[in-house]
Amino acid sequence: DTEVTQTPKHLVMGMTNKKSLKCEQHMGHRAMYWYKQKAKKPPELMFVYSYEKLSINESVPSRFSPECPNSSLLNLHLHALQPEDSALYLCASSQDLFGIRRDNSPLHFGNGTRLTVT
Amino acid sequence: SQQGEEDPQALSIQEGENATMNCSYKTSINNLQWYRQNSGRGLVHLILIRSNEREKHSGRLRVTLDTSKKSSSLLITASRAADTASYFCATDAGRYTGANSKLTFGKGITLSVRP
Repeated sequence: DTEVTQTPKHLVMGMTNKKSLKCEQHMGHRAMYWYKQKAKKPPELMFVYSYEKLSINESVPSRFSPECPNSSLLNLHLHALQPEDSALYLCASSQDLFGIRRDNSPLHFGNGTRLTVT
Repeated sequence: SQQGEEDPQALSIQEGENATMNCSYKTSINNLQWYRQNSGRGLVHLILIRSNEREKHSGRLRVTLDTSKKSSSLLITASRAADTASYFCATDAGRYTGANSKLTFGKGITLSVRP
């Protein structure tokens, strides 16, 4: 089982709803990520947090709002979503952005939240 | 545009056979990684190869990297039904200095291993 926990596993929401996705890791990782994955497509990067600060926003619409309350938690707040936002939302973490000797440290993924917007 | 492009896009083999998957990329990289994704699950890191390495092994996995051709291959030997999954290569090329900061995944290969 993954060491990155995402809740809920499934979420159905209307276009006027406000909901939040949650992600938690206790590996001491200082970089956390949100990815969006449509069916039969690769994951697409949305946001990166490094040491609880937003490091990268890949021009994601403002109806997605990330939050990193502490080093173990990452939230994604959703508001006024569109049906085309339906996807698998994956959270990931890594040791940090730079790793040792500027090498990659692997990403650890959660199992995702399957989001359906009706 | 996709940095990594795997081929074939789908591969079906018999249990016990070897599976070879290729990945090509467009720009210079620091490292290349391979991930596996079982249906409806998250991605699992398999192996990382640095740009100054040519080959790396991990259990039944063998990865090669040819930076002159901007390509990598993943070989799974003695495949098992449990290897059935999608496989993605991922590269970190981008404008950011953080090595992990902009990991870009290829389109993926669907591997089916028949019992």
